Amino acid sequence: AQTVTQSQPEMSVQEAETVTLSCTYDTSESDYYLFWYKQPPSRQMILVIRQEAYKQQNATENRFSVNFQKAAKSFSLKISDSQLGDAAMYFCAYPGGAQKLVFGQGTRLTINP
Amino acid sequence: NAGVTQTPKFQVLKTGQSMTLQCAQDMNHNSMYWYRQDPGMGLRLIYYSASEGTTDKGEVPNGYNVSRLNKREFSLRLESAAPSQTSVYFCASTSKNIQYFGAGTRLSVL
Repeated sequence: AQTVTQSQPEMSVQEAETVTLSCTYDTSESDYYLFWYKQPPSRQMILVIRQEAYKQQNATENRFSVNFQKAAKSFSLKISDSQLGDAAMYFCAYPGGAQKLVFGQGTRLTINP
Repeated sequence: NAGVTQTPKFQVLKTGQSMTLQCAQDMNHNSMYWYRQDPGMGLRLIYYSASEGTTDKGEVPNGYNVSRLNKREFSLRLESAAPSQTSVYFCASTSKNIQYFGAGTRLSVL
């Protein structure tokens, strides 16, 4: 079974600094997608960024970027110039077949002003 | 754009009561999903529907039933609610490998 592991239950960072959230996954597939979702206190699940495994280039969306290491099955999220609005739970997710997602346990990110 | 709409947003039940959580999407997606999220955890799949007329069990299906009423609607039913079903429930639909989520339903079973 596919598993997704986020080893950092909580992280904190000073406003305007950079933080990296870790994620590892287990799969025997060669072509797949990986996702980071943000869940603010409103509970809404918001897609932050996705990575296609066959693409060697790391995905980037404004201040959010990933470090995708396919051989190591590692998919970390880097947030640059952290803002107060970035405070949330962040979930790494991997498709477990039929496009359904397997989620990690989440990392709670706190931004210190 | 409404996207994925879930009703109700909040519900309190007594043990043994039944209820149906409603979900509708207006994006013409084939695949729809129901997840639950317990405190401090990620989402876990209850049931999914790859297309209209089909449903399949996910990771935690016990105590639940689903109905894919049509392409737009996918409902989740608790026949006899138990305290262990206290959770936040999310509905989602998928297009091009991206899942779009509803706002969630917070359910408490006393």
